[in-house]
Amino acid sequence: RKEVEQDPGPFNVPEGATVAFNCTYSNSASQSFFWYRQDCRKEPKLLMSVYSSGNEDGRFTAQLNRASQYISLLIRDSKLSDSATYLCVVNMGRHSGYALNFGKGTSLLVTP
Amino acid sequence: DAGVIQSPRHEVTEMGQEVTLRCKPISGHNSLFWYRQTMMRGLELLIYFNNNVPIDDSGMPEDRFSAKMPNASFSTLKIQPSEPRDSAVYFCASSSGVNYGYTFGSGTRLTVV
Repeated sequence: RKEVEQDPGPFNVPEGATVAFNCTYSNSASQSFFWYRQDCRKEPKLLMSVYSSGNEDGRFTAQLNRASQYISLLIRDSKLSDSATYLCVVNMGRHSGYALNFGKGTSLLVTP
Repeated sequence: DAGVIQSPRHEVTEMGQEVTLRCKPISGHNSLFWYRQTMMRGLELLIYFNNNVPIDDSGMPEDRFSAKMPNASFSTLKIQPSEPRDSAVYFCASSSGVNYGYTFGSGTRLTVV
Protein backbone atom coordinates (compact mmCIF):
# COMPACT_ATOMS: atom_id res chain seq x y z
CA ARG A 1 0.00 0.00 0.00
CA LYS A 2 1.40 3.34 -1.02
CA GLU A 3 2.01 5.72 1.88
CA VAL A 4 0.24 8.65 0.24
CA GLU A 5 -2.99 7.88 -1.61
CA GLN A 6 -4.80 10.20 -4.00
CA ASP A 7 -7.66 9.80 -6.44
CA PRO A 8 -5.87 9.96 -9.82
CA GLY A 9 -8.82 11.60 -11.56
CA PRO A 10 -8.97 13.13 -14.07
CA PHE A 11 -11.24 15.85 -12.76
CA ASN A 12 -12.81 17.76 -15.65
CA VAL A 13 -14.47 20.97 -14.49
CA PRO A 14 -15.72 24.13 -16.20
CA GLU A 15 -14.09 27.49 -15.58
CA GLY A 16 -15.35 29.08 -12.41
CA ALA A 17 -16.17 25.80 -10.70
CA THR A 18 -15.00 24.78 -7.25
CA VAL A 19 -13.07 21.53 -7.06
CA ALA A 20 -11.74 19.57 -4.10
CA PHE A 21 -8.95 17.01 -3.94
CA ASN A 22 -8.43 14.58 -1.10
CA CYS A 23 -5.44 12.65 0.11
CA THR A 24 -4.75 10.13 2.87
CA TYR A 25 -1.40 9.19 4.37
CA SER A 26 -0.30 6.21 6.40
CA ASN A 27 2.66 7.47 8.46
CA SER A 28 1.33 8.94 11.70
CA ALA A 29 4.81 10.32 12.48
CA SER A 30 4.64 12.72 9.54
CA GLN A 31 5.06 16.35 10.53
CA SER A 32 5.09 18.39 7.33
CA PHE A 33 2.50 18.46 4.59
CA PHE A 34 2.41 20.15 1.21
CA TRP A 35 0.58 20.39 -2.07
CA TYR A 36 2.67 20.54 -5.21
CA ARG A 37 1.59 21.29 -8.74
CA GLN A 38 3.12 19.61 -11.78
CA ASP A 39 2.50 20.75 -15.34
CA CYS A 40 2.89 18.31 -18.22
CA ARG A 41 6.58 17.45 -18.83
CA LYS A 42 7.70 19.90 -16.12
CA GLU A 43 9.07 19.57 -12.63
CA PRO A 44 6.83 19.64 -9.54
CA LYS A 45 6.53 23.06 -7.94
CA LEU A 46 5.46 23.90 -4.42
CA LEU A 47 1.89 25.21 -4.37
CA MET A 48 1.42 25.59 -0.63
CA SER A 49 2.24 24.14 2.75
CA VAL A 50 -0.59 22.64 4.80
CA TYR A 51 -0.95 23.66 8.43
CA SER A 52 -2.92 22.02 11.21
CA SER A 53 -5.28 24.96 11.52
CA GLY A 54 -5.93 25.04 7.79
CA ASN A 55 -4.64 27.77 5.54
CA GLU A 56 -5.66 29.77 2.52
CA ASP A 57 -3.72 31.32 -0.34
CA GLY A 58 -5.97 33.26 -2.65
CA ARG A 59 -8.33 30.80 -4.33
CA PHE A 60 -6.63 27.80 -2.72
CA THR A 61 -7.52 26.38 0.70
CA ALA A 62 -5.72 23.47 2.34
CA GLN A 63 -6.95 21.47 5.32
CA LEU A 64 -5.27 18.85 7.50
CA ASN A 65 -6.95 16.31 9.77
CA ARG A 66 -4.21 14.57 11.74
CA ALA A 67 -6.60 12.21 13.54
CA SER A 68 -7.91 10.86 10.23
CA GLN A 69 -4.56 11.34 8.44
CA TYR A 70 -6.36 13.21 5.72
CA ILE A 71 -5.39 16.28 3.68
CA SER A 72 -7.52 18.28 1.28
CA LEU A 73 -7.10 21.03 -1.29
CA LEU A 74 -9.97 23.24 -2.41
CA ILE A 75 -9.71 25.39 -5.52
CA ARG A 76 -12.37 28.09 -5.92
CA ASP A 77 -13.26 29.94 -9.13
CA SER A 78 -11.04 27.62 -11.16
CA LYS A 79 -9.11 29.06 -14.11
CA LEU A 80 -7.92 27.42 -17.31
CA SER A 81 -4.38 27.88 -16.01
CA ASP A 82 -5.16 25.65 -13.01
CA SER A 83 -5.08 22.62 -15.32
CA ALA A 84 -2.25 20.46 -14.00
CA THR A 85 -1.54 17.48 -11.77
CA TYR A 86 -1.74 18.16 -8.04
CA LEU A 87 0.55 16.13 -5.81
CA CYS A 88 -0.14 15.51 -2.14
CA VAL A 89 3.15 15.42 -0.22
CA VAL A 90 3.95 14.18 3.28
CA ASN A 91 7.26 13.90 5.04
CA MET A 92 8.37 10.39 5.92
CA GLY A 93 9.17 11.04 9.53
CA ARG A 94 12.36 10.98 11.51
CA HIS A 95 13.55 7.49 10.48
CA SER A 96 13.85 8.69 6.87
CA GLY A 97 15.43 12.01 7.71
CA TYR A 98 12.14 13.75 7.04
CA ALA A 99 12.40 13.17 3.28
CA LEU A 100 9.19 13.83 1.37
CA ASN A 101 6.83 11.15 0.11
CA PHE A 102 4.76 12.10 -2.94
CA GLY A 103 1.34 10.83 -3.95
CA LYS A 104 0.90 9.90 -7.60
CA GLY A 105 -1.16 13.01 -8.19
CA THR A 106 -4.66 14.05 -9.17
CA SER A 107 -5.11 15.36 -12.69
CA LEU A 108 -7.25 18.48 -13.17
CA LEU A 109 -8.52 19.79 -16.49
CA VAL A 110 -10.38 23.09 -16.46
CA THR A 111 -12.40 23.64 -19.62
CA PRO A 112 -13.83 26.86 -21.14
CA ASP B 1 19.21 32.48 -7.96
CA ALA B 2 19.42 30.00 -10.85
CA GLY B 3 17.51 27.31 -9.00
CA VAL B 4 18.44 23.63 -9.06
CA ILE B 5 20.36 22.85 -12.22
CA GLN B 6 20.34 19.39 -13.78
CA SER B 7 22.16 18.05 -16.79
CA PRO B 8 21.65 16.69 -19.31
CA ARG B 9 18.00 17.50 -19.99
CA HIS B 10 17.61 14.47 -22.22
CA GLU B 11 19.69 11.33 -22.51
CA VAL B 12 19.21 8.45 -24.91
CA THR B 13 21.57 5.55 -24.45
CA GLU B 14 21.90 1.91 -25.35
CA MET B 15 21.36 -0.85 -22.87
CA GLY B 16 24.55 -1.69 -21.02
CA GLN B 17 26.04 1.79 -21.24
CA GLU B 18 26.96 3.90 -18.25
CA VAL B 19 24.80 6.95 -17.60
CA THR B 20 25.76 9.87 -15.34
CA LEU B 21 23.23 12.48 -14.27
CA ARG B 22 24.38 15.72 -12.67
CA CYS B 23 22.84 18.17 -10.24
CA LYS B 24 23.80 21.53 -8.76
CA PRO B 25 21.59 22.42 -5.77
CA ILE B 26 20.58 25.89 -4.69
CA SER B 27 23.41 27.57 -2.81
CA GLY B 28 22.85 27.35 0.93
CA HIS B 29 20.50 24.37 0.78
CA ASN B 30 21.89 21.59 2.94
CA SER B 31 19.68 18.72 1.73
CA LEU B 32 19.69 17.13 -1.71
CA PHE B 33 17.34 14.48 -3.03
CA TRP B 34 17.26 12.28 -6.13
CA TYR B 35 13.82 11.13 -7.30
CA ARG B 36 12.68 9.02 -10.24
CA GLN B 37 9.27 9.53 -11.87
CA THR B 38 7.38 7.06 -14.02
CA MET B 39 3.72 6.87 -15.00
CA MET B 40 3.28 3.58 -13.15
CA ARG B 41 5.00 4.41 -9.88
CA GLY B 42 4.92 8.19 -9.66
CA LEU B 43 7.74 10.00 -7.85
CA GLU B 44 10.03 7.65 -5.92
CA LEU B 45 12.82 8.77 -3.61
CA LEU B 46 16.10 7.15 -4.59
CA ILE B 47 18.59 8.73 -2.18
CA TYR B 48 18.88 11.71 0.14
CA PHE B 49 21.95 13.67 1.27
CA ASN B 50 22.21 16.00 4.23
CA ASN B 51 25.32 18.18 4.44
CA ASN B 52 26.84 16.06 1.64
CA VAL B 53 26.39 12.81 3.61
CA PRO B 54 24.05 10.08 2.29
CA ILE B 55 21.28 9.62 4.87
CA ASP B 56 18.88 7.18 3.23
CA ASP B 57 19.63 5.18 0.08
CA SER B 58 16.99 2.51 0.63
CA GLY B 59 15.21 3.65 -2.52
CA MET B 60 18.13 2.92 -4.81
CA PRO B 61 16.83 0.06 -6.97
CA GLU B 62 19.95 -2.10 -7.01
CA ASP B 63 23.72 -2.06 -7.15
CA ARG B 64 23.67 -0.67 -10.66
CA PHE B 65 22.72 2.68 -9.16
CA SER B 66 25.14 4.85 -7.21
CA ALA B 67 25.13 8.48 -6.09
CA LYS B 68 27.78 10.82 -4.79
CA MET B 69 27.91 14.32 -3.39
CA PRO B 70 31.59 15.33 -3.24
CA ASN B 71 30.77 18.88 -2.15
CA ALA B 72 27.85 21.13 -1.29
CA SER B 73 27.37 22.31 -4.86
CA PHE B 74 27.43 19.10 -6.89
CA SER B 75 25.94 15.62 -6.96
CA THR B 76 25.89 12.78 -9.46
CA LEU B 77 23.64 9.78 -9.99
CA LYS B 78 25.24 6.98 -11.99
CA ILE B 79 23.65 3.94 -13.58
CA GLN B 80 26.02 1.21 -14.74
CA PRO B 81 25.03 -0.82 -16.68
CA SER B 82 21.81 0.83 -17.79
CA GLU B 83 18.70 -1.21 -18.67
CA PRO B 84 15.49 -0.30 -20.56
CA ARG B 85 13.49 -0.42 -17.30
CA ASP B 86 15.61 2.49 -16.03
CA SER B 87 13.87 4.76 -18.55
CA ALA B 88 12.19 7.54 -16.53
CA VAL B 89 12.51 11.19 -15.59
CA TYR B 90 15.11 11.69 -12.88
CA PHE B 91 14.66 14.75 -10.70
CA CYS B 92 17.10 16.35 -8.30
CA ALA B 93 15.72 18.59 -5.56
CA SER B 94 17.22 20.62 -2.75
CA SER B 95 15.87 22.00 0.49
CA SER B 96 16.97 24.18 3.39
CA GLY B 97 15.12 22.34 6.14
CA VAL B 98 12.60 19.80 7.36
CA ASN B 99 9.61 22.09 7.31
CA TYR B 100 10.31 23.61 3.93
CA GLY B 101 9.31 22.20 0.63
CA TYR B 102 11.77 21.23 -2.02
CA THR B 103 12.87 23.06 -5.13
CA PHE B 104 13.16 20.69 -8.05
CA GLY B 105 15.41 20.86 -11.06
CA SER B 106 13.96 20.51 -14.53
CA GLY B 107 14.77 16.81 -14.59
CA THR B 108 16.68 14.49 -16.90
CA ARG B 109 14.53 12.43 -19.24
CA LEU B 110 16.42 9.14 -19.67
CA THR B 111 15.61 6.66 -22.39
CA VAL B 112 17.49 3.37 -22.50
CA VAL B 113 17.02 1.44 -25.72
